[in-house]
Amino acid sequence: ETGVTQSPTHLIKTRGQQVTLRCSSQSGHNTVSWYQQALGQGPQFIFQYYREEENGRGNFPPRFSGLQFPNYSSELNVNALELDDSALYLCASSLGGVSKNIQYFGAGTRLSVL
Amino acid sequence: AQTVTQSQPEMSVQEAETVTLSCTYDTSESDYYLFWYKQPPSRQMILVIRQEAYKQQNATENRFSVNFQKAAKSFSLKISDSQLGDAAMYFCALNSGGSNYKLTFGKGTLLTVNP
Repeated sequence: ETGVTQSPTHLIKTRGQQVTLRCSSQSGHNTVSWYQQALGQGPQFIFQYYREEENGRGNFPPRFSGLQFPNYSSELNVNALELDDSALYLCASSLGGVSKNIQYFGAGTRLSVL
Repeated sequence: AQTVTQSQPEMSVQEAETVTLSCTYDTSESDYYLFWYKQPPSRQMILVIRQEAYKQQNATENRFSVNFQKAAKSFSLKISDSQLGDAAMYFCALNSGGSNYKLTFGKGTLLTVNP
């Protein structure tokens, strides 16, 4: 059983650029959630995808967008990067969009915006 | 809205000793789930233990156990026989359903284990 994998591991961008982060969910999982973890903070929920549809969104602007593919892998896109977007971006997969289901996390993508 | 508060930014424990990490939460939902996740320097969040709010019995997983006080909205983690490998950032998290099933995390407690 493969776990949650994220790519790339590290990324450096400049302000105003666009970035795409990728996540492969754990085998058999149909739900992917994305979180932003600023340095020294707990993760903050960005959005969740369940069976290719957005299933909820946190307090993030529209320049944060996502996609889930038929194989349940997912992308997080961020447009017009700002310095405050520098963070660790975590992807988590689970089986079904219900609260009782455990979310399994990848190792994250460290994004630095200069 | 749901909130999670971890009031201990850092804790330390001697190897083989016991340590308790504190967490309080708030939610208006009656059905919810509480979690403790561990994040070592490798960055990957690892589930330590899960508690279902409707279960009165405290969850245990080997050396890890919780003290779940529903009325007080408290959810502490006890680590017994601490090991060097337990050193990490520990996050308390709440999932209280609703229209989506996000996890709300506290700010974390950095645990140091001294040999």
